[in-house]
Amino acid sequence: SAVISQKPSRDICQRGTSLTIQCQVDSQVTMMFWYRQQPGQSLTLIATANQGSEATYESGFVIDKFPISRPNLTFSTLTVSNMSPEDSSIYLCSVVGGTGPYEQYFGPGTRLTVT
Amino acid sequence: AQSVSQHNHHVILSEAASLELGCNYSYGGTVNLFWYVQYPGQHLQLLLKYFSGDPLVKGIKGFEAEFIKSKFSFNLRKPSVQWSDTAEYFCAVNPINDYKLSFGAGTTVTVRA
Repeated sequence: SAVISQKPSRDICQRGTSLTIQCQVDSQVTMMFWYRQQPGQSLTLIATANQGSEATYESGFVIDKFPISRPNLTFSTLTVSNMSPEDSSIYLCSVVGGTGPYEQYFGPGTRLTVT
Repeated sequence: AQSVSQHNHHVILSEAASLELGCNYSYGGTVNLFWYVQYPGQHLQLLLKYFSGDPLVKGIKGFEAEFIKSKFSFNLRKPSVQWSDTAEYFCAVNPINDYKLSFGAGTTVTVRA
């Protein structure tokens, strides 16, 4: 399975600011995803990030709030813009890989606290 | 869109007890099914998966899950838990031709030594 790293691992930010989260994979992957895990809740898909095309956002998530870049097959960034305390969550990236075509592997997550 | 329900929010067990975590999904078509585990301080890991074939699948660390299509269920089991099985367990599904995973709310399992 792919090895995924994320930076930063955690951050505390003031409301109104923006934070860019990086996701690095040790092999080339076509499909990458960004998820959010709000406190005490499950994971929710934010968007699908494919190299060479615009990210595809799920209902309730918009590009102005969560811009995503995917410059190559091993790297992606998610920006959380104009943050509010409601954005306090763990943000995770995942990639498709493994022995089955639909297996996803997750990064360690970025724990964001907005004050 | 599909949805996933996990019946138990928090399960507390003693070592050597048997574990069964319920998972039901709602979706009209064929799905892929997964159980993920998140140990304290660690990232989400794939425990086991079902794509097709034998509905009883075996995963890592002695876990198994059974897909019952008629009940839209994919329950996770382990005959004898260990203290190291303390973790949060997530059931997830995606439609057969879609990569987008929908997760259940998760079940926190605490195993007492």
